[in-house]
Amino acid sequence: EPEVTQTPSHQVTQMGQEVILRCVPISNHLYFYWYRQILGQKVEFLVSFYNNEISEKSEIFDDQFSVERPDGSNFTLKIRSTKLEDSAMYFCASRVDRAFSGANVLTFGAGSRLTVL
Amino acid sequence: AQKITQTQPGMFVQEKEAVTLDCTYDTSDPSYGLFWYKQPSSGEMIFLIYQGSYDQQNATEGRYSLNFQKARKSANLVISASQLGDSAMYFCAMRLFYNQGGKLIFGQGTELSVKP
Repeated sequence: EPEVTQTPSHQVTQMGQEVILRCVPISNHLYFYWYRQILGQKVEFLVSFYNNEISEKSEIFDDQFSVERPDGSNFTLKIRSTKLEDSAMYFCASRVDRAFSGANVLTFGAGSRLTVL
Repeated sequence: AQKITQTQPGMFVQEKEAVTLDCTYDTSDPSYGLFWYKQPSSGEMIFLIYQGSYDQQNATEGRYSLNFQKARKSANLVISASQLGDSAMYFCAMRLFYNQGGKLIFGQGTELSVKP
């Protein structure tokens, strides 16, 4: 079964360092997302991406964050200068298209756990 | 603005019994979809079931069913014949049709523990 692949599974970084989280969405999917889950809390929307541009971003997604789809398969999330509060699980997700159906659901990757020291 | 509320932080159920996880939502948009995801301790998000706002019948997927009460704006998940492997966090989520990006908004989650 097709899956969304995320790397690394866990990254430890020092405050102020740049981090890039990588995702390979399902190949025929057109919509891509990043979500964040701070330990023990709910899953929060960060950004949606379609047709090589950001469709929507949340207030969490400030100037320290950026996304890119550099080569048609990878989808990356960059945090320019990490803060302690960026420690969280980051999920990449993808969907085929905009249609509403039980088959067109958001498929999540296994997540990348980021720990900022 | 859309909002999802799950009022049960934690639930216990005996193995083989049924359990209902509550979810209420708030939106003025008439077109939306409601979703349930399971998050086991390993952390991944697993899609369980979907209900469209115009669907006439409640959704079912194996042991999962969705008790959709549109007038009350509730979309409760019913798990029948609970198994030990059902122990996990469960998130209710909503997507609005008009939203170009198609984002999902999640509730706070309910942690379900199944007792042997």
